This record gives sequence, structure tokens and C-alpha cells, in this order.
Amino acid sequence: GQQLNQSPQSMFIQEGEDVSMNCTSSSIFNTWLWYKQDPGEGPVLLIALYKAGELTSNGRLTAQFGITRKDSFLNISASIPSDVGIYFCAGQRGSQGNLIFGKGTKLSVKP
Amino acid sequence: ETGVTQTPRHLVMGMTNKKSLKCEQHLGHNAMYWYKQSAKKPLELMFVYSLEERVENNSVPSRFSPECPNSSHLFLHLHTLQPEDSALYLCASSQDYEDAYEQYFGPGTRLTVT
Repeated sequence: GQQLNQSPQSMFIQEGEDVSMNCTSSSIFNTWLWYKQDPGEGPVLLIALYKAGELTSNGRLTAQFGITRKDSFLNISASIPSDVGIYFCAGQRGSQGNLIFGKGTKLSVKP
Repeated sequence: ETGVTQTPRHLVMGMTNKKSLKCEQHLGHNAMYWYKQSAKKPLELMFVYSLEERVENNSVPSRFSPECPNSSHLFLHLHTLQPEDSALYLCASSQDYEDAYEQYFGPGTRLTVT
């Protein structure tokens, strides 16, 4: 079935460092979404990207929709302890609501 | 209440029990989704309802039975589950099924089957 390859699987960083994670696919996607999930909670939508090449920011978070439409990355600048959690990418291929999710990147931030 | 709510948050059930998970969305959305989240696996889409009609059923075993009585409520009825069904079950909603890229999730029900 369709898969998204998300990397890295986990990251251990120092507070204040920048973070970068990405998702790739062998297929073209029309939409890329980035979610964050805290322990015991559901995923929360961070950023939605709709056009190839689009670069969108949400506070310290920046995400880009790859030009080839087969990848996306998420950057977090100046990380803080509350950035801890699992970050998921999700892509949508057609015009309907089904999303395909990556396996997640687990972020740990050391104060 | 705002957003998407789910009850119960935690559920432990035996393999012969029958239980139901409930989801309610307060966003005025027309599409609702059930996902299963297991450790080390991507979220798996189970069912999709659009305007109270099921539009997607991704080869889910019949021991899982969804119900959507109206556009705000979604249920997942469970019976004779297996231990491997233990997981976090997430409900989500989106404005519509077509062209609805942004799905909003509830907090999930942590299900343990003993």
C-alpha cells in the first residue's frame, strides 16, 4: 500500500537547537499536513501545505511542500521543552479526505 | 465543549465483552473518521462517514461496527475483540469529505483487550 517515509524516527536535542524532519513518498501528493501528538492526546494540526514549493510558517515552525510534490519538511527553530512529542506528516493524493500518515518522529528536548 | 471529544478515554475489556466508543464533534463538520493507532505503525484509517453515509471501509474485521446517527456523532461498536486490537482509537472530523484536507482529531480512546 501507499507509504510515507518519515525521518528521523527519533531525535534527542538540546533546548535552543533547531530541528529538521522530513517525509518522502514515491508518489505525488496534492496536500501535505504536519501534526504533533502529545502523550495521551490526539494529533493536533500544525501546518497545512497546498501547493508545490509552498513555504509556510506557524510561529517557530516552518514547513515546505517539495517542488516534486513527493516530499515535505518541517523545521522547528530554537526548540523549547514543550516541543517534546511525536510529529507526523500526512499526505493526501486525490480530492477526497483520506490521509496517509508517516510513522512519526519522536522529539525529545533536553533543558 | 469544543473541537472533537471522545469517550471513554480508557477502556479495558475482555474478549467476550461488547462495548462502544463514542465521538462527538462540535465543529459543524460533515465528515467523520475512525483511525487505529498502534505502536510503531502509521495511523490506520478504519472508516469514513460523509453526511452520515459510510464512504470508506478499509478491510476492517466485522468485530468493529461503526454507526453515524447524525453528522455530529460517530460510534464504534466493539464485540469479541482480540488482544491485538489493543490500541489507541482516534476519531477525526473534517469540513467535508471532498476537498477536505484538514482533519481535526479527538484525544482518543486507549483500548486494552484482555
